[in-house]
Amino acid sequence: SQQGEEDPQALSIQEGENATMNCSYKTSINNLQWYRQNSGRGLVHLILIRSNEREKHSGRLRVTLDTSKKSSSLLITASRAADTASYFCATGSPYNTDKLIFGTGTRLQVFP
Amino acid sequence: EPEVTQTPSHQVTQMGQEVILRCVPISNHLYFYWYRQILGQKVEFLVSFYNNEISEKSEIFDDQFSVERPDGSNFTLKIRSTKLEDSAMYFCASYTQAGANVLTFGAGSRLTVL
Repeated sequence: SQQGEEDPQALSIQEGENATMNCSYKTSINNLQWYRQNSGRGLVHLILIRSNEREKHSGRLRVTLDTSKKSSSLLITASRAADTASYFCATGSPYNTDKLIFGTGTRLQVFP
Repeated sequence: EPEVTQTPSHQVTQMGQEVILRCVPISNHLYFYWYRQILGQKVEFLVSFYNNEISEKSEIFDDQFSVERPDGSNFTLKIRSTKLEDSAMYFCASYTQAGANVLTFGAGSRLTVL
């Protein structure tokens, strides 16, 4: 079954630094999405990258996708304390777009 | 901005009791999901629901679980006889038919089984 695995599991940085999180998956996909979860809350969609795209930007977020390596990265530039959260990648299969499968998540802590 | 609303926010129940978790998806959304997250762990897919029927379910979604959309707006998850291992956050999510499967999640219902 396809499954996203993020690394690192946890990341601590200072405000102003960049944070990079990686996601690997196992099967073919039609898109890959990143979501954010504040502690004890629901997930919020951040950005979607389609399988035919290699890079996408949204504000301070930059996502890359390498389908040959079945991996993606999320870069948050100039991080802020408010970016402290868990970040999950989620993949949608080209065979069944009905569901998203979430990875294990990266817990990001940004210190002021 | 439209929201997915879930109730209750927290429910404590005894093992073996029935629990119903409720969700009000965004009004023009057509695809509905339940996910769960055991504390500190990954977000796991339970079931997807479209056109008033289950479109897919995971291995977790056994005979103890059921979903329904009784009145065209509410979307419920029922656990017939709760077990200790059902303790988790349960998230409802939905998306509209237009565009990609970008999910809007509710804030979750925390279920504690004693």
